[in-house]
Amino acid sequence: DTAVSQTPKYLVTQMGNDKSIKCEQNLGHDTMYWYKQDSKKFLKIMFSYNNKELIINETVPNRFSPKSPDKAHLNLHINSLELGDSAVYFCASSLPNTGELFFGEGSRLTVL
Amino acid sequence: DQQVKQNSPSLSVQEGRISILNCDYTNSMFDYFLWYKKYPAEGPTFLISISSIKDKNEDGRFTVFLNKSAKHLSLHIVPSQPGDSAVYFCAASEGGYQKVTFGIGTKLQVIP
Repeated sequence: DTAVSQTPKYLVTQMGNDKSIKCEQNLGHDTMYWYKQDSKKFLKIMFSYNNKELIINETVPNRFSPKSPDKAHLNLHINSLELGDSAVYFCASSLPNTGELFFGEGSRLTVL
Repeated sequence: DQQVKQNSPSLSVQEGRISILNCDYTNSMFDYFLWYKKYPAEGPTFLISISSIKDKNEDGRFTVFLNKSAKHLSLHIVPSQPGDSAVYFCAASEGGYQKVTFGIGTKLQVIP
């Protein structure tokens, strides 16, 4: 009964492909996030959703499209994958008005 | 434009001694500061936080100190234990906590 779960944990794919990463949280939180940790280990916010509505979009290329079918799920779809998309992608959730994020285990994407 | 800086990539400490992890920030609008701990192949987990109206917050072996005039915070772990060996991320947010900005992390090794 993992609080924030992501699938898949590992993803290896060719440049130009389209792929999705799924995230689900069972904490009852209203706010969910996608963070990217690149090769330099920077952990940067990509998107934030509050109750299925997009509230933060941090100048991420249009090839990245988050989708929140309900407040417990936030999926990340990436079109036309590029080498620079290789990273670990973390999903997270939080209660309102708190910076205490609950992270998933991460999904390591490798683009060849 | 790193707004949260952790200038020490790594730190080694003997078991039982104090570990001091440092963090500097540049954004004077940050009003909430957090520390996260990350083990390999896991997502970061929340450790401790402090509001900008305080200068110290303590939770068991962990204490965070905030020096607003110097835009500096530190995490003290005493006594250090081998299980504390992990990467520690300093983080900060402003007005509403929706966007948490992370530092690059400091890898702590506690030597038995």
